Amino acid sequence: QSALTQPPSASGSPGQSVTISCTGTSSDVGGYNYVSWYQQHPGKAPKLMIFEVTKRPSGVPDRFSGSKSGNTASLTVSGLQAEDEADYYCSSYSGSNNLVFGGGTTLTVL
Amino acid sequence: EVQLVESGGGLVQPGGSLRLSCAASGFIVSGNYMSWVRQAPGKGLEWVSVMYSGGSTYHADSVKGRFTISRDNSKNTLYLQMNSLRVEDTAVYYCAKEAALRPGGAFDIWGQGTMVTVSS
Repeated sequence: QSALTQPPSASGSPGQSVTISCTGTSSDVGGYNYVSWYQQHPGKAPKLMIFEVTKRPSGVPDRFSGSKSGNTASLTVSGLQAEDEADYYCSSYSGSNNLVFGGGTTLTVL
Repeated sequence: EVQLVESGGGLVQPGGSLRLSCAASGFIVSGNYMSWVRQAPGKGLEWVSVMYSGGSTYHADSVKGRFTISRDNSKNTLYLQMNSLRVEDTAVYYCAKEAALRPGGAFDIWGQGTMVTVSS
């Protein structure tokens, strides 16, 4: 299974919005509404931010939103805050009981 | 409190074996979909194995035939038996719980991770 494609880095100033893309194929992102997004701070375990493309777990600020178009999913962080600076990973179910992650995007708050 | 605590990591030579444990509290392991996910130093996340509530297990191609996921219901613990270890298996290994009873990759609970180093 090939990893999903994410930009290595993204950045924005406090208060701005930033969108991170996650590109796969029709066999994973495009074929299922099972895309998740994770936030990971250095030395910490990942934290679920978005699941099933657009859903937010309880406790996740509504500044975080997800969407999908074709084979590309996106995570948008609005009203950037300093604590949003972290690595972000997407994942997608890829059929046959397999799961694939993206390579990760480092978000910098300028 | 709902939590997962991994143990069993360490230094092992290429070709060696190691068994990781993941003790759960606050929920029943056997009633959930549970996975192992690893992260090589400075790299991204990689799904390794899953065990469904019904007992079915599946592994990534990179570990198929070498790793086995299992659980002990009496101990509410998930395991990962790793054999024929390779240098490229070096990583932090996390156990994680699916948010729902479907293989969607929505892991809502993660352990703190345990480091496995494969080196001579």
